[in-house]
Amino acid sequence: GQQVMQIPQYQHVQEGEDFTTYCNSSTTLSNIQWYKQRPGGHPVFLIQLVKSGEVKKQKRLTFQFGEAKKNSSLHITATQTTDVGTYFCAVNAGNNRKLIWGLGTSLAVNP
Amino acid sequence: EAGVAQSPRYKIIEKRQSVAFWCNPISGHATLYWYQQILGQGPKLLIQFQNNGVVDDSQLPKDRFSAERLKGVDSTLKIQPAKLEDSAVYLCASSLVFRRSDGSSYEQYFGPGTRLTVT
Repeated sequence: GQQVMQIPQYQHVQEGEDFTTYCNSSTTLSNIQWYKQRPGGHPVFLIQLVKSGEVKKQKRLTFQFGEAKKNSSLHITATQTTDVGTYFCAVNAGNNRKLIWGLGTSLAVNP
Repeated sequence: EAGVAQSPRYKIIEKRQSVAFWCNPISGHATLYWYQQILGQGPKLLIQFQNNGVVDDSQLPKDRFSAERLKGVDSTLKIQPAKLEDSAVYLCASSLVFRRSDGSSYEQYFGPGTRLTVT
């Protein structure tokens, strides 16, 4: 079945440093969604990417969808303690009617 | 707009006992999802409903788990009998439908989850 890999599994940064997490699929994707889950909380939708090579920005967050629609990245510029949490990608491929979730990247930020 | 409601928030049971979780999705959302999230892992889809029909239940352990959404609104997820490995957070989510006409998917809104501990 379809698999999605997220790297790294964990990332520890100093406040103000940048952070990037990557999501890689074995198959071409229809779309990819990114979610954030704070410690003890539930996943919250951040953004969806649909088009090849698409780049979207939300304040300090930049999301990219690869040209081949098999990978994506989430980049945070100048991390803050409020960025702490686990970032998940969830992907959809073909006519599949469900999302496949990655294992997430847990971000810790030292103040 | 009210969010996705779930109850109970916490449950502790002994193995071989039964437990049921309840979910009320956002009003008007046709698609409802039950996920199992084990600590340190991503959400694992157990079952997905479109209105009151099952879209996907391929990862639902049907010998012990059951779920229903009789009137296409609220849903219950039951485990009978529970095993130690069922200890997890059970998340309910909803979306308007699953897919838009342009091929993109609708975002999913999650409830607070039920933390189940099986001893």
